[in-house]
Parts: sequence; C-alpha cells; structure tokens
Amino acid sequence: GAVVSQHPSRVICKSGTSVKIECRSLDFQATTMFWYRQFPKQSLMLMATSNEGSKATYEQGVEKDKFLINHASLTLSTLTVTSAHPEDSSFYICSARGGVSNQPQHFGDGTRLSIL
Amino acid sequence: DQQVKQNSPSLSVQEGRISILNCDYTNSMFDYFLWYKKYPAEGPTFLISISSIKDKNEDGRFTVFLNKSAKHLSLHIVPSQPGDSAVYFCAASANSGNTPLVFGKGTRLSVIA
Repeated sequence: GAVVSQHPSRVICKSGTSVKIECRSLDFQATTMFWYRQFPKQSLMLMATSNEGSKATYEQGVEKDKFLINHASLTLSTLTVTSAHPEDSSFYICSARGGVSNQPQHFGDGTRLSIL
Repeated sequence: DQQVKQNSPSLSVQEGRISILNCDYTNSMFDYFLWYKKYPAEGPTFLISISSIKDKNEDGRFTVFLNKSAKHLSLHIVPSQPGDSAVYFCAASANSGNTPLVFGKGTRLSVIA
C-alpha cells in the first residue's frame, strides 16, 4: 500500500529553536499534503493544506508565520516550527493524497515534539 | 460544532465476536467516508472507505455501512482479533473526497482473548 514517511519521529529541543519536520510520499505523487496536530486524548486537528507549488492554506487560528509549510515537490512537504516554545509541544502528523477523487489520505507516523 | 461524532469513547469485545463501531455526521455535503486505525505514537492507518453512492463496502474482515438518510456509518469487524485493539477514527470529506478530512474523536477498541 501507499507509504508516507515522516522524519524525525521525535525531537527534544530548547525553547527558541526552530524545528523542521519532513513528510515524503514514497510510492505515489502527493498532489496534496496535510499537516495535523494531535493533543493528548483528542482527535487530529487540521493545521494546513498544501498543494505542490503553491502556498499552503492554513486553518483558522494557525499562525502561518509560526508554522512554515513548504511543498516544493510532489513527494516532499516540510513543516518548520519557528522559534518553538513549550506550548508548541505536541504530536504532529502529516498525510498525503494523490490527485484522483475518492482516494484516501495516507499518514506518516508522526513527530513527537517536546520543547523544554 | 462537531461535524463527525463518535459517541462511544471505548468498546470491549471478545475475540471471535463482531465489533461494531459507529459514527454520525451532520454535514450533508460529506460524500466520502473513511475509517482509520491508530496505535499510540503512530500515524493513522487507512482501513476502508466508502463513497456516498454506495451503502456498503467490504474488505476481508472489515465492512463499512453507510446510511445517508440517517447520516450514520458503521464499521463491522468480524471476527475480531486481539491485534485489532487500537483507536478507530471515522473521517469524512466533501467534493468526492477532495476537501480536507474531518475526524471524529475516536473509539478505543479492546479485543479480549
């Protein structure tokens, strides 16, 4: 089946550091990639949608200058958490889908971000 | 307002029996529905989907039923196995699945040997 690879799986860093998370589709062309955040015992909350070669669309309440998203190719999207603070600590998950209708999104394994 | 609701936070089923997970939605524009399985500290794994032109889709032990008039879908797992123990998320999308997924809060399934 389709595989989405997300890296790194875990990051622990000091407050003020910027952290980059990569999301790659390994065996299909990901026309659209999505970034989610999951808080403990909560559902996945969509942060932004990115289409290859265009600017990401952010959900209400998500700071685009804080969470920089780049979708430079059909197989790679990156999320950079700039100047991270403890409240940014969370589980971040990416997903990807191709351009055909009625096709599922496939998810990476997530990145656990801990800001000290 | 929660557009996708999974009203049972948890469910316990004996091994070999049927597991039925339920999901309700409120947005009549949704036309593509999916079930994902998730283990702790991992991303969701796609299980099965159904488009609104169908009322049933089957894949091995997993069957999804869609009742559009009731805005309700369910996932049946039979026979249930201990390895099925996980959190199951229902998700919905509009425009033939081209809009972002809206997830329910999940149901934790425990299959007891």
